[in-house]
Amino acid sequence: DAKTTQPTSMDCAEGRAANLPCNHSTISGNEYVYWYRQIHSQGPQYIIHGLKNNETNEMASLIITEDRKSSTLILPHATLRDTAVYYCIVRRVASSNTGKLIFGQGTTLQVKP
Amino acid sequence: DAGVTQSPTHLIKTRGQQVTLRCSPKSGHDTVSWYQQALGQGPQFIFQYYEEEERQRGNFPDRFSGHQFPNYSSELNVNALLLGDSALYLCASSSGQGGTDTQYFGPGTRLTVL
Repeated sequence: DAKTTQPTSMDCAEGRAANLPCNHSTISGNEYVYWYRQIHSQGPQYIIHGLKNNETNEMASLIITEDRKSSTLILPHATLRDTAVYYCIVRRVASSNTGKLIFGQGTTLQVKP
Repeated sequence: DAGVTQSPTHLIKTRGQQVTLRCSPKSGHDTVSWYQQALGQGPQFIFQYYEEEERQRGNFPDRFSGHQFPNYSSELNVNALLLGDSALYLCASSSGQGGTDTQYFGPGTRLTVL
């Protein structure tokens, strides 16, 4: 699975959009981009995933560049409860060897009042 | 619809002891993966169970073993505990052969080894 690079930390004002970048320059054609977040001492929470098209759900939007080498997770109106560590993970699916998720250090997002 | 559940929430053991952690997957899921998360680190993959067999394993010693039951629930066993085994142990469930679908995590079990 391809590796990802994320900034160590970011700040965002409450009510503003939070844009979290992720680089995955070695991504393969059959690899998806997944985002999870982890609020202190809780289990990681699935946010969203995508292959090449932009995706949106009730939690966030995922923008993937045309060359698929980077992506951005967008929280449209950040709240204090969005303060967490955000993990960007690249993962193959539809294969018998896709069990594991490889977590990096993630980005610590601090939403400030 | 209950999500992934884990028990116990917290556990304190001493070095050399053995521990068993339990996980019940989300309804409709048949695959369970286990992760270890040391303080300040991202989760690390231990192994995955599907159809009651270990399908994939991360870089963990044989002291770490598991089991999956016919109802898809799973146990993680750790023998001869070391201080370094202190961590948050996470269970994730998914569906699809080999867990190809999205993994959903439980709240974790906090293990402290003294």
